[in-house]
Amino acid sequence: QKEVEQDPGPLSVPEGAIVSLNCTYSNSAFQYFMWYRQYSRKGPELLMYTYSSGNKEDGRFTAQVDKSSKYISLFIRDSQPSDSATYLCAMSDVDYKLSFGAGTTVTVRA
Amino acid sequence: KAGVTQTPRYLIKTRGQQVTLSCSPISGHRSVSWYQQTPGQGLQFLFEYFSETQRNKGNFPGRFSGRQFSNSRSEMNVSTLELGDSALYLCASSLDQGTYNEQFFGPGTRLTVL
Repeated sequence: QKEVEQDPGPLSVPEGAIVSLNCTYSNSAFQYFMWYRQYSRKGPELLMYTYSSGNKEDGRFTAQVDKSSKYISLFIRDSQPSDSATYLCAMSDVDYKLSFGAGTTVTVRA
Repeated sequence: KAGVTQTPRYLIKTRGQQVTLSCSPISGHRSVSWYQQTPGQGLQFLFEYFSETQRNKGNFPGRFSGRQFSNSRSEMNVSTLELGDSALYLCASSLDQGTYNEQFFGPGTRLTVL
């Protein structure tokens, strides 16, 4: 079993829909939780970062972390075609070594 | 400020050869990490360097090695290449100050082993 599990999708939604992405993990030592976005032929770029449990909002993006359930989520409101990308969850313990999920490919249809 | 740069962007090698990939971090960043990305395994941590010392290491065989220079630039070497080493190799740099350090990724080097 992988340390971080993420449904690879693909996920296809109409423009304006809410995109819901999630990951589960097994390592209780993880303290830092991140969501990255990766466009084709590019490196991942950080979207959201959360320390420990809780919610964080940034514009159309909301990240949630539930450490008791070992479950994290990312919600994208009012999705746009430009949001079409692969979304990767990542986590780390104090050593900052990132453990990634498999990535979910999202397509937002105009 | 320039981002993380990686060279070369594409590379084709044959089994048994060795390869060296280069990474130049963002100016002022002292930590450099390397990751391997494949369709089957996703992104996997290879190693991290800080002040010319390997500080963290992932679960890869000894054929994978790296080093960091005094200007924080880093190189990664893979010896005796295998078909399964075909992947996108990503480098990421961070400031390494405080409790959380965002890692900024480069565009990657796509290695194909024939």
